Amino acid sequence: GAVVSQHPSWVICKSGTSVKIECRSLDFQATTMFWYRQFPKQSLMLMATSNEGSKATYEQGVEKDKFLINHASLTLSTLTVTSAHPEDSSFYICSARDDGAGEETQYFGPGTRLLVL
Amino acid sequence: GQSLEQPSEVTAVEGAIVQINCTYQTSGFYGLSWYQQHDGGAPTFLSYNALDGLEETGRFSSFLSRSDSYGYLLLQELQMKDSASYFCALQAAGNKLTFGGGTRVLVKP
Repeated sequence: GAVVSQHPSWVICKSGTSVKIECRSLDFQATTMFWYRQFPKQSLMLMATSNEGSKATYEQGVEKDKFLINHASLTLSTLTVTSAHPEDSSFYICSARDDGAGEETQYFGPGTRLLVL
Repeated sequence: GQSLEQPSEVTAVEGAIVQINCTYQTSGFYGLSWYQQHDGGAPTFLSYNALDGLEETGRFSSFLSRSDSYGYLLLQELQMKDSASYFCALQAAGNKLTFGGGTRVLVKP
């Protein structure tokens, strides 16, 4: 089946630093990937839609200059949390839709836990 | 905008049947999906309904009534490993998903 990987799986950083999270579709091409954030005991909230070769589309309330998204190839999207602060500590999850599948399923990565000290 | 409501928690015993209801509001309907998420893990796809009716996948089934803006996930022959959170999610244009708040299912021996 379709597999999506994320790296790193967890990261601890100091306040003010930037953190880059990678999302890869391992056995399929994905023109579109999605980035979600999930706080403990809460639901997943869509942050942005990542489009290969074009600018990402951000959801209302998500700062595009703080959460930089790059989707340079059909198998890789990156999310950079710039100048991270403790309130950015969360579980970041990406998903990808298989271009060749013709179905509505989104395949989720295993997530990245970010802790900002 | 879109919104979904589902119960926050359900408790049942092994072998029982659990139904998780989901009501939604949306200006444009494309489909309703269900996902399972174990603690510390990522969501995994369970089922998708774009048309009215019942979709069966093994022990799990999902139902949709577009006229009632309502769907449910049915978990049959509950097993301990089914203890997890279950989310309904609305599909929108561009394949964007809006998730409900999640239902935590606790299966007891």
